[in-house]
Amino acid sequence: SQQGEEDPQALSIQEGENATMNCSYKTSINNLQWYRQNSGRGLVHLILIRSNEREKHSGRLRVTLDTSKKSSSLLITASRAADTASYFCATDANLYGNNRLAFGKGNQVVVIP
Amino acid sequence: DTGVSQNPRHKITKRGQNVTFRCDPISEHNRLYWYRQTLGQGPEFLTYFQNEAQLEKSRLLSDRFSAERPKGSFSTLEIQRTEQGDSAMYLCASLASGGDGYTFGSGTRLTVV
Repeated sequence: SQQGEEDPQALSIQEGENATMNCSYKTSINNLQWYRQNSGRGLVHLILIRSNEREKHSGRLRVTLDTSKKSSSLLITASRAADTASYFCATDANLYGNNRLAFGKGNQVVVIP
Repeated sequence: DTGVSQNPRHKITKRGQNVTFRCDPISEHNRLYWYRQTLGQGPEFLTYFQNEAQLEKSRLLSDRFSAERPKGSFSTLEIQRTEQGDSAMYLCASLASGGDGYTFGSGTRLTVV
């Protein structure tokens, strides 16, 4: 079942602007991850934030996690045309140590050059 | 090692035929996962292996589906008596023990006509 729910689901921005996406989930988690998917391709892991972390940065990416609200946000700063993709959040509850991920429906981001 | 490799990239088959997909994970990764993704949705978990042992199967994996990972290296996913509802992207991912995020293959897109 899909646990993550991203909001908004479609975003169109100008190159150089920031893009923010949100994700909510329902159960306790071990960590939350964000992935990018270009059309018709596999997913690429972007960043992982553990349940005891509140914020994490990687290059132009900033992820926050609020476990009390069961929500996360992904910020992409100074967007580029190459950032055009679908972005998925995925939660790892690590039940039974299986590291199985539950994905949301994804955000489609279009960066206009 | 260039990542996770999936073959074929595309498969068109007639309803009722059997199909088999192959996944070659990153060689050091002992965990291998299969997910299915339909248009506009996030990936859904199908099954996972730790080395050669299949440790969990989703209820999505009907008895027409079978997966193997002999010798803990490559994996195959077979669908027998395909139905139109099986049309989807089948994604394979591998994970090292204690690893931070999955490495996905590019997927196999199955179309059942």
